[in-house]
Amino acid sequence: DQQVKQNSPSLSVQEGRISILNCDYTNSMFDYFLWYKKYPAEGPTFLISISSIKDKNEDGRFTVFLNKSAKHLSLHIVPSQPGDSAVYFCAASVVRASYDKVIFGPGTSLSVIP
Amino acid sequence: DGGITQSPKYLFRKEGQNVTLSCEQNLNHDAMYWYRQDPGQGLRLIYYSQIVNDFQKGDIAEGYSVSREKKESFPLTVTSAQKNPTAFYLCASARSSGLSYNEQFFGPGTRLTVL
Repeated sequence: DQQVKQNSPSLSVQEGRISILNCDYTNSMFDYFLWYKKYPAEGPTFLISISSIKDKNEDGRFTVFLNKSAKHLSLHIVPSQPGDSAVYFCAASVVRASYDKVIFGPGTSLSVIP
Repeated sequence: DGGITQSPKYLFRKEGQNVTLSCEQNLNHDAMYWYRQDPGQGLRLIYYSQIVNDFQKGDIAEGYSVSREKKESFPLTVTSAQKNPTAFYLCASARSSGLSYNEQFFGPGTRLTVL
């Protein structure tokens, strides 16, 4: 039973347009939601996070929106660039005193077409 | 130049053999993690360690073993008991948790293929 779902395995967007990556979750106990970016044959790199008490977090071209009532979050990339082509993992975290348990979604492969 | 290193990048193993994947970090992080990635699936947690000489099973620990004798090192052994070991293995580290999320830093991964 997947607690973090990304229902779109892939997405293609024209350079300069907006990319919207979606994520749904089932557990209301998550404290933080995260987006990681992964290039082929490399480890994921942290992109942006949002606390469960907020509904929006922005960092440059990247904005994450959280809708707790719908258990849904999305990552907006504006404007999209060819270098953004990668697999994007949505993840959710339960913060504990000793370690952070992170649950990852299956990923969405984004292709930005020049 | 701080970071996480994993070796080797590619590893081939015959069925029935144990193999050990290396993970080293010089970020002075207390927590370390091993994940497995399969096509179409997210990263799944195999084992994690919060402190030296202590580690805990993750969601898919069967057929794997780890050790944490040094803060910098968290090797993963894939044993012959692991039924489907061919996968991409990722190691990560993070500062000990507090009141907010602590970013996990990932190594470049090891692709294990069982022949």
